[in-house]
Formats: sequence, structure tokens, C-alpha cells
Amino acid sequence: QQQVKQSPQSLIVQKGGISIINCAYENTAFDYFPWYQQFPGKGPALLIAIRPDVSEKKEGRFTISFNKSAKQFSLHIMDSQPGDSATYFCAASIPGSTGNQFYFGTGTSLTVIP
Amino acid sequence: NAGVMQNPRHLVRRRGQEARLRCSPMKGHSHVYWYRQLPEEGLKFMVYLQKENIIDESGMPKERFSAEFPKEGPSILRIQQVVRGDSAAYFCASSPISHGDTEAFFGQGTRLTVV
Repeated sequence: QQQVKQSPQSLIVQKGGISIINCAYENTAFDYFPWYQQFPGKGPALLIAIRPDVSEKKEGRFTISFNKSAKQFSLHIMDSQPGDSATYFCAASIPGSTGNQFYFGTGTSLTVIP
Repeated sequence: NAGVMQNPRHLVRRRGQEARLRCSPMKGHSHVYWYRQLPEEGLKFMVYLQKENIIDESGMPKERFSAEFPKEGPSILRIQQVVRGDSAAYFCASSPISHGDTEAFFGQGTRLTVV
């Protein structure tokens, strides 16, 4: 059972365009939602994260939009660059629980073409 | 400050052998997490450890898999009698506190191939 559903599986965007990746969840106990970026052969690295008390968070060209009522959140990459080509994972966790684990989406392979 | 160090980066084992994966957390981090990544899939939680304690192993297969994080030395993920289905990338992450509240830093992973 996939706790966090991510789409699309792959995405091709022109340089300068906007990349949008969507995630949805069911467990209302989740209250921390990070996005990780992973390059081939590397480990995932935290890109940006949000808590559900805000609807949007922006860091440079990266923005998370969060819709608590719909239980959805998305990553927007503005002015996409070839260097952004990577696999992106959304995740969710329940801080403070003994689980302390992240539930990851299945990933989106982003290719930004020049 | 070195990041999370995993070794080996690549490991090839024949079916039935043991695989031993090592993870040295970042300096000052006492929380370690192991995740498994299968091709075309996201990372799946396996186990969460603090020094000398297994806190949550709910994602760990019941047989053949074990993990430890001793007082001294790296965390070890051990897979006994490996099978082809164990072929995957295994990532370790560490955090200074339980990572539900803060960033977890991932290592570069160990890619296990069972032949």
C-alpha cells in the first residue's frame, strides 16, 4: 500500500519552463512533507520541506504548494534548467512518533531539455 | 564535516552468501535509518536505530535481515543467504534527532547485486 502517491512518473520540460510534480496522501497524521532530489548514483538530498500550517513555501526557483483539505501537495520548479534533471521524491512523516520514518512517493524522473 | 559514509558503494554477492553494508553517520548524529530502493520505486523504510538500540524495525523483512548500531563503529545492515530479490540500492540516512522533525542526510548508497 503506497502511503504517498506521486505523479507523473516522468516529465520532460523545456529549459525555462515550469516543472510540476504532484503528490497525494491519505494519512492525516502526516505533518511534515519534504521533497528530495536525487541524481544518478547519488543519495537523495533534501530540496525543500513544508508543514501543513502554511499553504506555500518558496525557496529560490522551488515552491511547494500545500492543500490540506485535498491532502495534496506539489513541487513547482520555475525557470527549469538542464541541471535540474534528476529524480524527485516527495515524502511525508509523522514527527514525534516512534516510527520516525519517511514515506516516500515512487519518484518523478525530470528531464529538462535545452 | 564529512557526510554520511556508506561502504561499499557496490557489492556483488552470489545467492546464499551474506551481505554486510556499513554506514557511518555524520558527526554528531545519533539516529540512523536504513532504506531500500528498488528500480523504478521510491525508498522504502527498513529500520531506525539509535546507538545500541533498534527503535523501529517495522520495515525490515522478518527473516535474513538484521541491523545494528553499536556504541563504537558504524551501523551495519546484514543480509544473510541473499536471494536475487535482495538486489537493490540500500541507503542509510542520519539525523541529530529523530528525523521526523528535521532533515535527514542520506549517504550515496550501496548497490547490492545478487548473482
